[in-house]
Parts: sequence; structure tokens; C-alpha cells
Amino acid sequence: EDQVTQSPEALRLQEGESSSLNCSYTVSGLRGLFWYRQDPGKGPEFLFTLYSAGEEKEKERLKATLTKKESFLHITAPKPEDSATYLCAVQATSGTYKYIFGTGTRLKVLA
Amino acid sequence: ETGVTQTPRHLVMGMTNKKSLKCEQHLGHNAMYWYKQSAKKPLELMFVYNFKEQTENNSVPSRFSPECPNSSHLFLHLHTLQPEDSALYLCASSQEDRAARGGYTFGSGTRLTVV
Repeated sequence: EDQVTQSPEALRLQEGESSSLNCSYTVSGLRGLFWYRQDPGKGPEFLFTLYSAGEEKEKERLKATLTKKESFLHITAPKPEDSATYLCAVQATSGTYKYIFGTGTRLKVLA
Repeated sequence: ETGVTQTPRHLVMGMTNKKSLKCEQHLGHNAMYWYKQSAKKPLELMFVYNFKEQTENNSVPSRFSPECPNSSHLFLHLHTLQPEDSALYLCASSQEDRAARGGYTFGSGTRLTVV
């Protein structure tokens, strides 16, 4: 069964303290892996799409990487405004192409 | 307005009420989606519309009834809901339903409380 697991569930960092969020996935064939950011009271905001192992994408302090079994979202020198829930989703090549979401990592960056 | 707009932002309804959620996208996308987001659970796909045609109904109870009159508007009609239906209902859109390379664009959601 296709599945996405995110860890940790919650993470508290001091401003400037770099860390990584993990997204492990099991899917019959990967069409794409997606990262979203969700602020309280808002819908998810698209960040990155990764398609194949070894691919990397960067945006400001965020860098997403992909292997055959997992993806990491690296946050370098985070700021309080990076506080949000980060969601990972995969889209399979078979079936209905629908997204399978993880439950997210709640990130809190303290000033 | 740009992006995906959802109304109302908050809704409290009794179990015997009938209400509707509205979603409008100004992006020229052809696919629209309804998702349910409950605490500590993954986003749950409810319905998919592609070029106004429903392409996915993810075994959603009949008390939820979607309507897509055109590619820009999507409604979710609600009747005789249960307290466990309380959640954040998110609308999203993408260029097409099978190759969302740029990801989905989500609205801010409707926070629904069933009393």
C-alpha cells in the first residue's frame, strides 16, 4: 500500500539552528514528491516538486533532496518566519494519480 | 482577486442544516479538488473535477454533494452532517489532474463545525 510517513511530528529550533525534516515513502512507482508549507488558518502553499533520486531543489533557506525511499527538507539558519507545518506528498505513476499526504512536521523557530 | 478563494472562512451548522461551501479559482486551471483536513490526519482527498467532469469520488458519504458548474467554480453542498465531519475543508486547483508538476494551489479553507 502506498504510504507517506513524516518525522519528527514536531520540532523546535533556535533561530539559526539548522536541521532537517524527513519524509519516508512507499509507492509502487513515483511520479513526483511534493513539499508544501502550511501556516495556521491557511491552506498549504506549494514549495517544491522532486521527480527522481538525486534531485535537489532550493528556495531561500530551504533545500529539498530525494532518494529512492525518502526525502529531506533541510532548513539552514532558520528564522521565526519559517515556523509552519511542512507537508510532504507523493504522486504515484499508477492508479488515479492522486496525492498521498503525510501528516506533516510542525516546526517552531524561536527568536 | 487572484489564486483560490473559499467562502465562508468559518461555518457552524447543526446536524439538520443544509449549507454550501464555495470555491473560486482565478488561475485558468482545469482541475479542482476538495480535501478534508482533520487534526493529526493526512489531507484526505474527497472529489476531483477535471474540465468540469468528476473524475474521482473517494468513497465520500452522500451527505457531501459536489457541484462544478464550470472550470472556475466548485461547490460542496452539505446536509445532515455528523459531528465527526467537523474539519477544515480545502479547495485546490491545478492545470490538470494527472500532471500537477507545479503542485496544487490551495485556498485558505472553510473551518466547519457541526453541532
